[in-house]
Amino acid sequence: SQQGEEDPQALSIQEGENATMNCSYKTSINNLQWYRQNSGRGLVHLILIRSNEREKHSGRLRVTLDTSKKSSSLLITASRAADTASYFCATEGGGSYIPTFGRGTSLIVHP
Amino acid sequence: KAGVTQTPRYLIKTRGQQVTLSCSPISGHRSVSWYQQTPGQGLQFLFEYFSETQRNKGNFPGRFSGRQFSNSRSEMNVSTLELGDSALYLCASSLSGGAGDEQFFGPGTRLTVL
Repeated sequence: SQQGEEDPQALSIQEGENATMNCSYKTSINNLQWYRQNSGRGLVHLILIRSNEREKHSGRLRVTLDTSKKSSSLLITASRAADTASYFCATEGGGSYIPTFGRGTSLIVHP
Repeated sequence: KAGVTQTPRYLIKTRGQQVTLSCSPISGHRSVSWYQQTPGQGLQFLFEYFSETQRNKGNFPGRFSGRQFSNSRSEMNVSTLELGDSALYLCASSLSGGAGDEQFFGPGTRLTVL
């Protein structure tokens, strides 16, 4: 069963705009990771945020974590057509080191 | 450094047949995990191997099995294929599979069961 649930399921924006995706989860976690998947291919790790962290940045990516609300958000600033992909959050916790993935947000960036 | 490789990339089988998929992890990585991805169920964890031992197992029937060799390469086998086994099978490797260990995914094997 999925631990994380991404929202929205699909997002369509214009190049240059910002894209925000959210992830909610049910049980306590040790860390949360965001991955990107280009159509029908493998996943690429984007960023990991630990349960004691609130915000992390990597290039145009900003991830926040609110453990009180059991939610995380991924912000992609100044989006590009190449950012078109599905984005997944994956949580680790409950004594397991196996990440549990959500169903993903499909992002389309129009040039 | 070469990435995770999976073979074959595409496979078409018929119901009742069996299939073996292969995964070569990044050199030095000892943990290999397998996932099944379908539109309906999303990404589901199958199993994880570390040092030739299955360390974690997901909620899949016994028709799904795997193994890991001494060089960390891994294979997964699906016997008595069903239509519902059609999916993208992803392999991921990491150094030790520990908490927060970054997983590197292969491109996947697209299995179609007719």
